Amino acid sequence: QVQLLESGPGVVKPSQTLSLTCAISGDFVSSNSASWDWIRQSPSRGLEWLGRTYYKSKWYKEYAVSVQGRITINPDTSKNQVSLHLNSVSPEDTAVYFCAKGYKWDAFSSIYFVDVWGRGTTVIVSS
Amino acid sequence: DIQMTQSPSSLSASVGDSVTISCRASQDISNYLAWYQVKPGGVPALLIYRASTLQTGVSSRFSGSGSGTDFTLTINNLQPEDVGTYYCQKYNSAPLTFGGGTRVDMK
Repeated sequence: QVQLLESGPGVVKPSQTLSLTCAISGDFVSSNSASWDWIRQSPSRGLEWLGRTYYKSKWYKEYAVSVQGRITINPDTSKNQVSLHLNSVSPEDTAVYFCAKGYKWDAFSSIYFVDVWGRGTTVIVSS
Repeated sequence: DIQMTQSPSSLSASVGDSVTISCRASQDISNYLAWYQVKPGGVPALLIYRASTLQTGVSSRFSGSGSGTDFTLTINNLQPEDVGTYYCQKYNSAPLTFGGGTRVDMK
């Protein structure tokens, strides 16, 4: 049973960097059959996929257009965790941030659907 | 990027009713579509993947259909515990876009 636990500061000042960590248990961040995604939820925008990383002979990282240029997702194999960094934040980045695991149905593809979610962590951007 | 459009944005129904939620992709995504349920104050939960495959443990009152650009989630015999917001998501390639959500309430 995979479990994901997000952690990080609950409040971030505008223009600063939001940094969150997702601790993974029950699987490995370097698994060949999983992706590690970050998704956020806010009343105004609903669910918004931010990006993911996955290992398939090498590390891949893919990001949403809406946050491209501000976002970095990094795997940490030594700690079995994945991190999210979102810089130059504004109040519009206030949301509940979820870490999630993607499952690869076909071993030969790079197509993953999210099947496990963390509990989420609330981040408020405010001075 | 492919856009996902859900309708209606909200609906209200009675216990025992059947409700249908639609999701339309702006381009062909084959059957790479998932449905998620978010209960009030809760964490999203996977209901259906590959457009019509029920996730293990999910009630058989939920069903999905469709392929290409048009998809449907049906909830049969609506129960009070089904209250929440439902989202479709395409996952054939990044970005994994969600629909805008459909809020389901009880009359």
